[in-house]
Amino acid sequence: ILNVEQSPQSLHVQEGDSTNFTCSFPSSNFYALHWYRWETAKSPEALFVMTLNGDEKKKGRISATLNTKEGYSYLYIKGSQPEDSATYLCARFNAGNNRKLIWGLGTSLAVNP
Amino acid sequence: DVKVTQSSRYLVKRTGEKVFLECVQDMDHENMFWYRQDPGLGLRLIYFSYDVKMKEKGDIPEGYSVSREKKERFSLILESASTNQTSMYLCASSWGVKERNEQYFGPGTRLTVT
Repeated sequence: ILNVEQSPQSLHVQEGDSTNFTCSFPSSNFYALHWYRWETAKSPEALFVMTLNGDEKKKGRISATLNTKEGYSYLYIKGSQPEDSATYLCARFNAGNNRKLIWGLGTSLAVNP
Repeated sequence: DVKVTQSSRYLVKRTGEKVFLECVQDMDHENMFWYRQDPGLGLRLIYFSYDVKMKEKGDIPEGYSVSREKKERFSLILESASTNQTSMYLCASSWGVKERNEQYFGPGTRLTVT
């Protein structure tokens, strides 16, 4: 099993702070890296799917970068708002005989007003 | 908008019962997945399917089976429910080339086995 690690496990920030989290993964046989946001009492919702080394994607105040050679991705939130409070999950697509997403445990973000 | 629906939000069953969890998606997605989510363990894949009548085991298939008779519907079956199957069950679907497309999730079914 190829492990996907996320850090920090949890984070508390003040409204207006910018923040970032890390997703680390084995770099060999890389296919794709997914980021999802999971708000309490809702379904996980896709933020980004990235495939190429150096990819940068942006959605509003949230952006992500990808380094496939060293095996990490950063998720940035600029000017955090209380509605950004959620668990942020990353998942790496696992190539080979059993092609599926390998999920990290997530970073739980709480934004205090 | 893609919609993935699950038959129940909350379900309470007794040990030994056969349990059916239904998932339906309305966007003609080829790929469907069943996960369970437990505190501290993250999302774990139970079974997945890349086509009608096709199924593959995920990481934790023991005690579960699945059925995909129609493209839009993917059912998870607990043959004989046990207390260690108390969990949140999430269904997801995606289209096309499997690794490059995001998964769309249903609202989840919180199953309690007593």
